[in-house]
Amino acid sequence: AQTVTQSQPEMSVQEAETVTLSCTYDTSESDYYLFWYKQPPSRQMILVIRQEAYKQQNATENRFSVNFQKAAKSFSLKISDSQLGDAAMYFCAYRSGGGSEKLVFGKGTKLTVNP
Amino acid sequence: DSGVTQTPKHLITATGQRVTLRCSPRSGDLSVYWYQQSLDQGLQFLIQYYNGEERAKGNILERFSAQQFPDLHSELNLSSLELGDSALYFCASSRLVSETQYFGPGTRLLVL
Repeated sequence: AQTVTQSQPEMSVQEAETVTLSCTYDTSESDYYLFWYKQPPSRQMILVIRQEAYKQQNATENRFSVNFQKAAKSFSLKISDSQLGDAAMYFCAYRSGGGSEKLVFGKGTKLTVNP
Repeated sequence: DSGVTQTPKHLITATGQRVTLRCSPRSGDLSVYWYQQSLDQGLQFLIQYYNGEERAKGNILERFSAQQFPDLHSELNLSSLELGDSALYFCASSRLVSETQYFGPGTRLLVL
């Protein structure tokens, strides 16, 4: 079974600075997708970014980018120019490319943004 | 706003009772997923429906059941509730099974 590990329960960053959240995963599959979801205090789960395993290029969405290292099974999220609204729980998630479409989540990293 | 709606937003009930959580997917989405978020178990997949048919099952208790109706909305039924069932229940939807899942705002269930 696939597992997702987020080794940083909590992180903090100064406003306007850059922070990187770590995620590693374990799978024997070659076809899969990886996601970062954000959960602010409202508890809504918001998609931040998606990466297809077959794509070598790292995904980017405005201030959010990933460092996808397939061989190392690592998928970190970099947030540039951090804003107060970035404060939230961030969950890394894995989805198989075939068979089950369920998301497997890590335990999350709580990000605090200091003014 | 993801376009996925869930009702009710909050639910308080007693042990032994039965509740129904409702989810309306984004317009055009055929696949619906249910997840449970609790403090001890984290986010866990419960069950998936695609165009009215059950497609995948996760760690869903026998006391729980779900269905997807012809209009594609879905309901999650929780019965013989226990204190440990208190959690945030999310519904997510995607257009096809291969696409990104978008989450609703969740239903917070408190069992007393």
